[in-house]
Amino acid sequence: GAGVSQSPSNKVTEKGKDVELRCDPISGHTALYWYRQSLGQGLEFLIYFQGNSAPDKSGLPSDRFSAERTGGSVSTLTIQRTQQEDSAVYLCASRDSGTPSVGRFGQFFGPGTRLTVL
Amino acid sequence: AQSVTQLGSHVSVSEGALVLLRCNYSSSVPPYLFWYVQYPNQGLQLLLKYTSAATLVKGINGFEAEFKKSETSFHLTKPSAHMSDAAEYFCAVKPPPRSGGGADGLTFGKGTHLIIQP
Repeated sequence: GAGVSQSPSNKVTEKGKDVELRCDPISGHTALYWYRQSLGQGLEFLIYFQGNSAPDKSGLPSDRFSAERTGGSVSTLTIQRTQQEDSAVYLCASRDSGTPSVGRFGQFFGPGTRLTVL
Repeated sequence: AQSVTQLGSHVSVSEGALVLLRCNYSSSVPPYLFWYVQYPNQGLQLLLKYTSAATLVKGINGFEAEFKKSETSFHLTKPSAHMSDAAEYFCAVKPPPRSGGGADGLTFGKGTHLIIQP
Protein backbone atom coordinates (compact mmCIF):
# COMPACT_ATOMS: atom_id res chain seq x y z
CA GLY A 1 0.00 0.00 0.00
CA ALA A 2 0.93 3.66 -0.20
CA GLY A 3 3.39 4.92 2.36
CA VAL A 4 3.81 8.32 3.95
CA SER A 5 4.23 11.03 1.36
CA GLN A 6 5.63 14.51 1.78
CA SER A 7 5.70 17.55 -0.42
CA PRO A 8 7.61 19.32 -1.69
CA SER A 9 10.66 17.08 -1.76
CA ASN A 10 12.91 20.14 -1.90
CA LYS A 11 12.24 23.73 -0.92
CA VAL A 12 14.61 26.63 -1.26
CA THR A 13 13.54 29.88 0.34
CA GLU A 14 14.96 33.21 1.36
CA LYS A 15 15.57 34.16 4.95
CA GLY A 16 12.48 35.76 6.46
CA LYS A 17 9.95 34.02 4.23
CA ASP A 18 7.29 31.64 5.49
CA VAL A 19 7.16 28.03 4.29
CA GLU A 20 4.61 25.24 4.49
CA LEU A 21 5.51 21.58 4.39
CA ARG A 22 2.89 18.93 3.79
CA CYS A 23 2.55 15.37 5.01
CA ASP A 24 0.08 12.72 3.88
CA PRO A 25 0.18 9.85 6.39
CA ILE A 26 -0.65 6.25 5.72
CA SER A 27 -4.42 5.89 5.46
CA GLY A 28 -5.95 4.94 8.78
CA HIS A 29 -2.92 5.88 10.87
CA THR A 30 -4.13 8.01 13.75
CA ALA A 31 -0.75 9.12 15.04
CA LEU A 32 1.40 11.56 13.10
CA TYR A 33 4.83 12.96 13.95
CA TRP A 34 7.15 15.62 12.61
CA TYR A 35 10.92 15.42 13.02
CA ARG A 36 13.80 17.32 11.55
CA GLN A 37 17.20 16.03 10.62
CA SER A 38 20.08 18.44 10.50
CA LEU A 39 23.84 17.99 10.43
CA GLY A 40 24.49 19.57 13.75
CA GLN A 41 21.57 18.18 15.72
CA GLY A 42 20.85 14.76 14.28
CA LEU A 43 17.19 13.74 14.40
CA GLU A 44 14.92 15.85 16.58
CA PHE A 45 11.31 15.28 17.51
CA LEU A 46 9.12 18.31 16.79
CA ILE A 47 5.44 17.57 17.29
CA TYR A 48 3.02 14.67 17.68
CA PHE A 49 -0.66 14.36 16.81
CA GLN A 50 -2.85 11.55 18.15
CA GLY A 51 -6.44 11.44 16.96
CA ASN A 52 -8.47 14.35 18.28
CA SER A 53 -6.24 14.96 21.29
CA ALA A 54 -4.31 18.17 21.73
CA PRO A 55 -0.98 17.83 19.95
CA ASP A 56 2.25 17.37 21.85
CA LYS A 57 4.27 20.41 20.84
CA SER A 58 7.12 19.87 23.26
CA GLY A 59 9.74 19.54 20.55
CA LEU A 60 9.02 22.71 18.60
CA PRO A 61 12.17 24.86 18.78
CA SER A 62 10.45 28.25 18.71
CA ASP A 63 7.09 29.95 18.22
CA ARG A 64 7.94 30.41 14.55
CA PHE A 65 7.11 26.72 14.14
CA SER A 66 3.55 25.47 14.10
CA ALA A 67 1.67 22.51 12.72
CA GLU A 68 -1.87 21.48 12.16
CA ARG A 69 -3.62 18.33 11.16
CA THR A 70 -6.90 18.71 9.36
CA GLY A 71 -9.55 16.01 9.51
CA GLY A 72 -7.21 13.65 11.29
CA SER A 73 -5.24 13.03 8.13
CA VAL A 74 -3.06 15.52 6.24
CA SER A 75 -0.70 17.65 8.29
CA THR A 76 1.03 20.92 7.49
CA LEU A 77 4.16 22.16 9.23
CA THR A 78 4.57 25.92 8.95
CA ILE A 79 7.77 27.80 9.62
CA GLN A 80 7.40 31.57 9.78
CA ARG A 81 10.19 34.07 9.16
CA THR A 82 12.62 31.32 8.25
CA GLN A 83 16.21 31.50 9.45
CA GLN A 84 19.30 29.84 8.03
CA GLU A 85 19.46 27.49 11.00
CA ASP A 86 16.07 26.12 9.94
CA SER A 87 17.78 24.43 6.98
CA ALA A 88 17.29 20.70 7.46
CA VAL A 89 15.38 17.71 6.23
CA TYR A 90 11.90 17.66 7.75
CA LEU A 91 10.53 14.16 8.21
CA CYS A 92 6.97 13.11 8.80
CA ALA A 93 5.99 9.75 10.25
CA SER A 94 2.71 8.02 10.97
CA ARG A 95 1.75 5.11 13.16
CA ASP A 96 -1.18 2.79 13.58
CA SER A 97 -2.11 3.12 17.23
CA GLY A 98 -5.05 0.74 17.00
CA THR A 99 -5.07 -3.03 17.10
CA PRO A 100 -1.75 -4.88 17.27
CA SER A 101 -0.09 -5.15 13.90
CA VAL A 102 3.35 -5.31 12.38
CA GLY A 103 3.60 -1.57 12.50
CA ARG A 104 2.41 -1.03 16.05
CA PHE A 105 4.80 1.24 17.96
CA GLY A 106 6.82 1.45 14.83
CA GLN A 107 6.62 4.73 12.99
CA PHE A 108 6.65 4.73 9.22
CA PHE A 109 8.58 7.64 7.79
CA GLY A 110 8.09 9.68 4.67
CA PRO A 111 10.98 10.62 2.37
CA GLY A 112 11.29 14.06 3.90
CA THR A 113 11.37 17.63 2.64
CA ARG A 114 14.81 19.17 2.29
CA LEU A 115 14.53 22.83 3.28
CA THR A 116 17.30 25.24 2.38
CA VAL A 117 17.12 28.79 3.70
CA LEU A 118 19.42 31.16 1.86
CA ALA B 1 14.00 11.68 30.43
CA GLN B 2 15.54 9.36 27.92
CA SER B 3 18.56 9.44 25.67
CA VAL B 4 20.38 7.29 23.16
CA THR B 5 24.09 7.02 22.50
CA GLN B 6 25.44 5.43 19.36
CA LEU B 7 29.15 4.71 19.61
CA GLY B 8 31.00 5.52 16.44
CA SER B 9 29.68 7.96 13.88
CA HIS B 10 31.29 5.81 11.18
CA VAL B 11 31.81 2.03 11.12
CA SER B 12 33.66 0.31 8.30
CA VAL B 13 33.55 -3.45 7.71
CA SER B 14 34.56 -5.72 4.87
CA GLU B 15 31.94 -7.40 2.74
CA GLY B 16 31.06 -10.71 4.37
CA ALA B 17 32.27 -9.64 7.81
CA LEU B 18 30.21 -9.25 10.97
CA VAL B 19 28.37 -5.97 11.40
CA LEU B 20 28.07 -4.58 14.93
CA LEU B 21 26.50 -1.19 15.54
CA ARG B 22 26.36 -0.13 19.17
CA CYS B 23 23.48 1.56 20.93
CA ASN B 24 23.15 2.36 24.61
CA TYR B 25 20.12 4.02 26.11
CA SER B 26 19.16 5.86 29.22
CA SER B 27 15.57 5.72 30.38
CA SER B 28 13.70 6.03 33.66
CA VAL B 29 11.40 3.16 32.67
CA PRO B 30 12.05 0.07 30.51
CA PRO B 31 11.71 1.58 27.07
CA TYR B 32 10.72 0.50 23.63
CA LEU B 33 13.74 0.45 21.33
CA PHE B 34 14.06 0.72 17.59
CA TRP B 35 16.62 0.58 14.82
CA TYR B 36 15.99 2.53 11.64
CA VAL B 37 18.00 2.58 8.43
CA GLN B 38 18.27 5.47 6.02
CA TYR B 39 19.63 4.81 2.55
CA PRO B 40 21.04 7.76 0.59
CA ASN B 41 18.34 10.20 -0.44
CA GLN B 42 15.59 8.09 1.10
CA GLY B 43 13.43 8.29 4.20
CA LEU B 44 13.83 6.27 7.35
CA GLN B 45 12.85 2.62 7.27
CA LEU B 46 12.13 0.54 10.36
CA LEU B 47 14.59 -2.36 10.69
CA LEU B 48 13.35 -3.87 13.92
CA LYS B 49 11.84 -3.00 17.27
CA TYR B 50 11.85 -4.23 20.86
CA THR B 51 8.60 -3.82 22.77
CA SER B 52 9.13 -5.88 25.93
CA ALA B 53 8.58 -9.30 24.34
CA ALA B 54 11.55 -11.46 23.27
CA THR B 55 14.88 -9.82 24.05
CA LEU B 56 16.43 -11.04 20.78
CA VAL B 57 14.65 -9.29 17.96
CA LYS B 58 14.98 -10.25 14.32
CA GLY B 59 14.42 -7.62 11.67
CA ILE B 60 14.54 -7.23 7.95
CA ASN B 61 17.58 -7.79 5.72
CA GLY B 62 19.15 -10.28 8.14
CA PHE B 63 19.65 -7.80 10.98
CA GLU B 64 18.95 -8.58 14.60
CA ALA B 65 19.38 -6.85 17.93
CA GLU B 66 19.45 -8.01 21.51
CA PHE B 67 18.01 -6.03 24.40
CA LYS B 68 20.30 -6.30 27.43
CA LYS B 69 18.78 -4.53 30.42
CA SER B 70 21.86 -5.03 32.60
CA GLU B 71 24.00 -3.26 30.04
CA THR B 72 21.30 -0.80 28.90
CA SER B 73 22.22 -1.78 25.36
CA PHE B 74 20.46 -2.63 22.12
CA HIS B 75 23.28 -3.36 19.70
CA LEU B 76 22.49 -4.16 16.07
CA THR B 77 24.22 -7.08 14.36
CA LYS B 78 24.33 -8.89 11.07
CA PRO B 79 26.50 -11.99 10.56
CA SER B 80 27.66 -11.16 7.05
CA ALA B 81 27.75 -7.65 5.57
CA HIS B 82 26.56 -6.98 2.06
CA MET B 83 27.40 -4.00 -0.09
CA SER B 84 23.74 -3.01 -0.07
CA ASP B 85 23.89 -2.56 3.71
CA ALA B 86 25.82 0.68 3.31
CA ALA B 87 23.58 3.32 4.88
CA GLU B 88 22.98 5.45 7.97
CA TYR B 89 21.59 3.57 10.96
CA PHE B 90 19.67 5.19 13.80
CA CYS B 91 18.85 3.76 17.19
CA ALA B 92 15.79 5.25 18.85
CA VAL B 93 13.97 4.97 22.16
CA LYS B 94 10.52 5.88 23.42
CA PRO B 95 8.70 5.31 26.69
CA PRO B 96 6.10 2.53 26.61
CA PRO B 97 2.43 3.61 26.43
CA ARG B 98 0.81 4.98 29.57
CA SER B 99 4.12 5.09 31.37
CA GLY B 100 3.93 8.79 32.02
CA GLY B 101 7.15 9.12 30.10
CA GLY B 102 6.22 12.39 28.48
CA ALA B 103 6.37 13.02 24.75
CA ASP B 104 5.44 10.07 22.59
CA GLY B 105 7.98 11.04 20.02
CA LEU B 106 11.04 8.96 19.48
CA THR B 107 14.41 10.09 20.80
CA PHE B 108 17.08 9.25 18.26
CA GLY B 109 20.79 8.67 18.48
CA LYS B 110 23.00 10.72 16.19
CA GLY B 111 23.35 7.85 13.75
CA THR B 112 26.11 5.55 12.56
CA HIS B 113 27.25 5.58 8.97
CA LEU B 114 27.99 2.00 7.91
CA ILE B 115 30.63 1.65 5.20
CA ILE B 116 31.12 -1.67 3.45
CA GLN B 117 34.56 -2.32 1.97
CA PRO B 118 34.67 -4.64 -1.06
